[in-house]
Amino acid sequence: QKEVEQNSGPLSVPEGAIASLNCTYSDRVSQSFFWYRQYSGKSPELIMSIYSNGDKEDGRFTAQLNKASQYVSLLIRDSQPSDSATYLCAVRGPANAGKSTFGDGTTLTVKP
Amino acid sequence: GAGVSQSPRYKVAKRGQDVALRCDPISGHVSLFWYQQALGQGPEFLTYFQNEAQLDKSGLPSDRFFAERPEGSVSTLKIQRTQQEDSAVYLCASSLEGAGVPPLHFGNGTRLTVT
Repeated sequence: QKEVEQNSGPLSVPEGAIASLNCTYSDRVSQSFFWYRQYSGKSPELIMSIYSNGDKEDGRFTAQLNKASQYVSLLIRDSQPSDSATYLCAVRGPANAGKSTFGDGTTLTVKP
Repeated sequence: GAGVSQSPRYKVAKRGQDVALRCDPISGHVSLFWYQQALGQGPEFLTYFQNEAQLDKSGLPSDRFFAERPEGSVSTLKIQRTQQEDSAVYLCASSLEGAGVPPLHFGNGTRLTVT
């Protein structure tokens, strides 16, 4: 079992819909959670970070964290074709713990 | 520069050759990470530096892989006697340690193809 699990997809939604991406992790001491977006052939770029239970909103993006369930999700509202990419969930331990552990990503396609 | 810079962008090596991949992190970023990303997979951790100290090398797949950051800035990932399974994109990332737990800033990667 991988430390960070994501549905590989592909996930396809129509333009304007809500895209929901899910991630579970196995290490209970994890404290920091990140969503990265990776376009084909490009490097990952950070879109959201979340550190405490609950919701965090940034524009069209909302990250949700439930540490008891070891679950983190990303909602994309009003999805646009430009949101089509692979979304990587990453988990990191306590401060100065070093490495982030990534899932294999969920590929999202937003159809016009 | 403004971002993490990696070179070369592409590298083709014949099996058995040695390669060296360079990473120039964001100025002032203390932490530097190397990741390996195979096609269709997420980045896999290789090694981590804080300044010049290599604090974690648990992800290096074999003793053919070696990384250094002698002056706490530029880092080099060296792969000796390359094998076909080494073919992947090698990503370098840096982060600014400080209050909280900062995210990673990635370079554009080096795509290594071993023939």
